[in-house]
Amino acid sequence: GENVEQHPSTLSVQEGDSAVIKCTYSDSASNYFPWYKQELGKRPQLIIDIRSNVGEKKDQRIAVTLNKTAKHFSLHITETQPEDSAVYFCAAWWETSGSRLTFGEGTQLTVNP
Amino acid sequence: SAVISQKPSRDICQRGTSLTIQCQVDSQVTMMFWYRQQPGQSLTLIATANQGSEATYESGFVIDKFPISRPNLTFSTLTVSNMSPEDSSIYLCSGLWGAREKLFFGSGTQLSVL
Repeated sequence: GENVEQHPSTLSVQEGDSAVIKCTYSDSASNYFPWYKQELGKRPQLIIDIRSNVGEKKDQRIAVTLNKTAKHFSLHITETQPEDSAVYFCAAWWETSGSRLTFGEGTQLTVNP
Repeated sequence: SAVISQKPSRDICQRGTSLTIQCQVDSQVTMMFWYRQQPGQSLTLIATANQGSEATYESGFVIDKFPISRPNLTFSTLTVSNMSPEDSSIYLCSGLWGAREKLFFGSGTQLSVL
């Protein structure tokens, strides 16, 4: 099945710095890559997504890049703020043998004031 | 975005009993899924809830332990059967919104088994 690897598992940055989280996936047929933010005790929230026909997508301080050849995609957060502190999950949509979303292991991001 | 209501939000149960979790979604949702999130870990897909037919289970999950129903497009239940402390986890209902593969989650059920 689809395998999604996510790095790093923890990331600590100073407020105002940038944060980058990277994921790789195994199934070259995957064509949709969302990112979720999960604050403590809350549900995962979709924050940005990208499809395979696009190399980059930006939404204010958040951007996602995709390299289909290398099967990598990354989340970039600029000008980080303490409220960005959360666990971030990448995922890949897998359509082999049924449609499903496979998640990475998560990155605990801490933004220090 | 999709509206997904899940209940109960939490429960404490005794070993050997069963708990049924309910999930109601709005009509924009096409597919429904059940995930498990163990403490400090990622989201693991339990099964795809199929309307009017048996759910499609992922490796490691079986119908006898996690029976799922989806009698109509907007409602599904997950039962955790014959519970043991290892079943203590957060169970999340999710729905695929429209045809654009955006997956949204319910608020989750925090289950503790004593």
